[in-house]
Amino acid sequence: DVKVTQSSRYLVKRTGEKVFLECVQDMDHENMFWYRQDPGLGLRLIYFSYDVKMKEKGDIPEGYSVSREKKERFSLILESASTNQTSMYLCASSVPRGTGELFFGEGSRLTVL
Amino acid sequence: DAKTTQPNSMESNEEEPVHLPCNHSTISGTDYIHWYRQLPSQGPEYVIHGLTSNVNNRMASLAIAEDRKSSTLILHRATLRDAAVYYCILRSPLNTGANNLFFGTGTRLTVIP
Repeated sequence: DVKVTQSSRYLVKRTGEKVFLECVQDMDHENMFWYRQDPGLGLRLIYFSYDVKMKEKGDIPEGYSVSREKKERFSLILESASTNQTSMYLCASSVPRGTGELFFGEGSRLTVL
Repeated sequence: DAKTTQPNSMESNEEEPVHLPCNHSTISGTDYIHWYRQLPSQGPEYVIHGLTSNVNNRMASLAIAEDRKSSTLILHRATLRDAAVYYCILRSPLNTGANNLFFGTGTRLTVIP
């Protein structure tokens, strides 16, 4: 079974803490994505990576950074978490072609107090 | 950026067909139309995709308008397990970045027993 695994299903952090959300895929996909999902706003793209060490900003990159040191792993970093970053975070991967489907992880629900 | 618009919600009776519409009037000639769905407490999953011709798979059918400015996802017999949020997105065949991966808020399908 193809798989995208997110390191934590639920996290609770305090304002100002540094937060790492890890995502690993076992399909040798070039593309990886981080989305956040909020009620009434749907899925919004934070960052996209099309190769190791390559990244591109999505719609809402402010307050986030990413790291792609290995092809299978894509990390989302909140340098100083704030309460407005409380959300569901979803990682996805795909082959580069437009015909390629996106495979999603189960999501990480982050609460920032 | 080519984006899609969908109704916020739809209802269907169990075991009846469901037609979920999507408008994409600014679609480019090479964009693929993808559909995903998100069950409660899960990440989105791929349903179907197409370019110009109608497509069928074990989950659903995709009907694409001749001018490609709209499409319809068809669930032939809705079951309670089909209750989900359905997303229509466009994907470029080229790895041109994240601009074409707009999910929006999708259509929430309620299936009535």
